[in-house]
Amino acid sequence: DIQMTQSPSSVSASVGDRVTIACRASQDISSWLAWYQQKPGRAPKLLIYGASTLQSGVPSRFSGTGSGTDFTLTISSLQPEDFATYYCQQANSFPLTFGGGTKVEV
Amino acid sequence: EVQLVQSGAEVKKPGESLKISCRGSGYSFTNHWIGWVRQMPGKGLEWMGIIHPADSDTTYSPSFEGQVTISADKSISTAYLQWTSLRASDTAMYYCARQISNSWSAYWGQGTLVTVSS
Repeated sequence: DIQMTQSPSSVSASVGDRVTIACRASQDISSWLAWYQQKPGRAPKLLIYGASTLQSGVPSRFSGTGSGTDFTLTISSLQPEDFATYYCQQANSFPLTFGGGTKVEV
Repeated sequence: EVQLVQSGAEVKKPGESLKISCRGSGYSFTNHWIGWVRQMPGKGLEWMGIIHPADSDTTYSPSFEGQVTISADKSISTAYLQWTSLRASDTAMYYCARQISNSWSAYWGQGTLVTVSS
């Protein structure tokens, strides 16, 4: 299985901050990477797929970069509704696997 | 509007069987893969497997193969996740999600909470 490692596991930030979350794959996954946002008590929401393609309806302050083994999710200016946990997921090969999550908190 | 509506919360005893459901609407059910994801209390997301409702082609995560059964009934646009003998460790929230191809979970159900306790 491909292991996905996210860092940091949590980050403290304020509204307006630029926040960067890293995700590393245990082997080359090309651009087969997605990012999800999950708020407490809610289902996850797809933000980005194909490493950098913004899902329809997702604000442009979210962006994704990277390929191969190293990827980044950036929130350019943190908004109050962005406090949540973020997960990366690889889709290069089955079984699909998720990172452990990064909690963005105040 | 694409919607996935899951069956309600369940409380079961160890050893009991269970089948939870996920009904899709607002799109052609047989054209898109459906995946299942587990989230144990306070933990992260775990991919369990996917099914293509048109032909019931199914792929499981090795971590879940043999432990659960994923199925679908295209006549009623519903996918299922089934256990024959529940364990306390199956206590979790279970989400279904419609995939983009077989890769990305674009539309999610609201989740079904399964509690297994004696």
